[in-house]
Amino acid sequence: AQKVTQAQTEISVVEKEDVTLDCVYETRDTTYYLFWYKQPPSGELVFLIRRNSFDEQNEISGRYSWNFQKSTSSFNFTITASQVVDSAVYFCALRSWNFNKFYFGSGTKLNVKP
Amino acid sequence: ETGVTQTPRHLVMGMTNKKSLKCEQHLGHNAMYWYKQSAKKPLELMFVYSLEERVENNSVPSRFSPECPNSSHLFLHLHTLQPEDSALYLCASSQDGQVGYEQYFGPGTRLTVT
Repeated sequence: AQKVTQAQTEISVVEKEDVTLDCVYETRDTTYYLFWYKQPPSGELVFLIRRNSFDEQNEISGRYSWNFQKSTSSFNFTITASQVVDSAVYFCALRSWNFNKFYFGSGTKLNVKP
Repeated sequence: ETGVTQTPRHLVMGMTNKKSLKCEQHLGHNAMYWYKQSAKKPLELMFVYSLEERVENNSVPSRFSPECPNSSHLFLHLHTLQPEDSALYLCASSQDGQVGYEQYFGPGTRLTVT
């Protein structure tokens, strides 16, 4: 069965703090893809990153970084020096290699206070 | 227009009305999706179209009827809805056949059933 768990329902931080959003997934597939999306209050989900199961290298993009660990089935997302504009709901998602279905976690709402 | 567009952005309808939601993608993708997002619930996949054929119908009530006339357009026809159908309806597209590619989302239609 495919499943994505985001155990943190809501996180509040003060601007400039670092914050890590957790994502744990379950799959029996050997090839799969993981994603992070951001949903600001406007409603549109914005694609942030894609990772395939063969590539465990961590990635950094500006203040964003992602830590993929196959051994613990986790794909965590860290925002460094958070800003108010980072306030949004963040979704982690899983896609198997041969299906059109994307499995989304329930999302983590991040509140960044000035 | 770029990306994925959805109209209308907001819709209020009575339970006896018939209305349609429209989605258009300008990305050259060949797969399109409808999702339902209710308050405090995970994203629910409703329908998937790949190469204009429906490949997934996730046990959605018959009062929701999708239509995909070509690879760029997707409709969701609504009739005799219930108040619990009030939600944000999101359309997405992706490139099927190129596995692992991410979905791109539209801004959503906020539906209220009175």
